[in-house]
Amino acid sequence: DAKTTQPPSMDCAEGRAANLPCNHSTISGNEYVYWYRQIHSQGPQYIIHGLKNNETNEMASLIITEDRKSSTLILPHATLRDTAVYYCIVRPLTGANNLFFGTGTRLTVIP
Amino acid sequence: NAGVTQTPKFQVLKTGQSMTLQCAQDMNHEYMSWYRQDPGMGLRLIHYSVGAGITDQGEVPNGYNVSRSTTEDFPLRLLSAAPSQTSVYFCASSYSTDRVHSPLHFGNGTRLTVT
Repeated sequence: DAKTTQPPSMDCAEGRAANLPCNHSTISGNEYVYWYRQIHSQGPQYIIHGLKNNETNEMASLIITEDRKSSTLILPHATLRDTAVYYCIVRPLTGANNLFFGTGTRLTVIP
Repeated sequence: NAGVTQTPKFQVLKTGQSMTLQCAQDMNHEYMSWYRQDPGMGLRLIHYSVGAGITDQGEVPNGYNVSRSTTEDFPLRLLSAAPSQTSVYFCASSYSTDRVHSPLHFGNGTRLTVT
């Protein structure tokens, strides 16, 4: 599976948009980009995924560059409850649903 | 609908003891897996199962056994606990891996300390 690179930490002011980048320059054509987050001491939680088009759901938006080598997760109005570690993961279209987590980005939302 | 349930939440073992971490899901998910998470690190895959009667090794399988006799349950067995197995263990499940949009659902973890 392709590897991802994320900044280790970021801060964001409460109420502002949080933009979390992810580099996946070796992504294959059949690999999706997934985002999960892990709030302290809890199991990871699925946020969003995409292949090549921008995606939006009730939690976040995902912007994938045209060459698919990088993406950005956007939390439009960050709240204190969004403080968590965010993981960007790529996985193939088919095959076992095994996710390879890196160390992610620790987002701290500041009041 | 309880989702993914892990028991116990906390456990302390002595070196050499054995125990079973329980994981159950009520979503009729075919796929289940176990991860461990050490301090400051991401999750690493231990074992996984794509259906009842089928199991396979992940990234760090040594020292652990699994079985999948039912769709609902996927227990993780530590055969002879070692301090290096001190970690937080997470169980996860999803629909069949043949379905593309199948996010993983995680339990809340079992915190294991081996002294």
